[in-house]
Amino acid sequence: NAGVTQTPKFRVLKTGQSMTLLCAQDMNHEYMYWYRQDPGMGLRLIHYSVGEGTTAKGEVPDGYNVSRLKKQNFLLGLESAAPSQTSVYFCASSHAPLSGAADTQYFGPGTRLTVL
Amino acid sequence: LAKTTQPISMDSYEGQEVNITCSHNNIATNDYITWYQQFPSQGPRFIIQGYKTKVTNEVASLFIPADRKSSTLSLPRVSLSDTAVYYCLVGRNTGGFKTIFGAGTRLFVKA
Repeated sequence: NAGVTQTPKFRVLKTGQSMTLLCAQDMNHEYMYWYRQDPGMGLRLIHYSVGEGTTAKGEVPDGYNVSRLKKQNFLLGLESAAPSQTSVYFCASSHAPLSGAADTQYFGPGTRLTVL
Repeated sequence: LAKTTQPISMDSYEGQEVNITCSHNNIATNDYITWYQQFPSQGPRFIIQGYKTKVTNEVASLFIPADRKSSTLSLPRVSLSDTAVYYCLVGRNTGGFKTIFGAGTRLFVKA
């Protein structure tokens, strides 16, 4: 049981290049999330998904796209990378909670992305 | 979503009990309070969650007063390995939980 894994761990891009970050979970979780964390700051939600085939915008969605074609995978795409997207990206997943409750999120190890 | 306010940083010594308070004046009736811990270069890790009164697990206790406008995370007898950032979150799932992490509280445990 690997939990939440992220690929790649590190990446350096040039401005304008594109890339896809892969998140995979083996806990059969319904919900998946993508966050970014800038130095000295908390995490900000980019996009999330409440089930296979569904996605929704979070707090900072501009410049990113996501897809959830399979329940266990959540992809984050950068179509045209910008230096402002230099950050650490975390993926998380959780079970859909009982009605009215809050979920418990399990996080991956993160991907460090630098855009030059 | 309710906004949360936490101290930016706290210092403690090994063996002491640490209490980190989070203010959430605009908490809604159905909101839960969740705390996460984050070590450098790692993703956050769930610590504890509660709705009211007191919740205790093997790691920490969470105290929530009757008005629920604040909550206190209590770490008993901290060690150097408890040095981390602690985040307080307030919210609930209504078809998708738009999690908001604030800047958190940086706890430094000294020998």
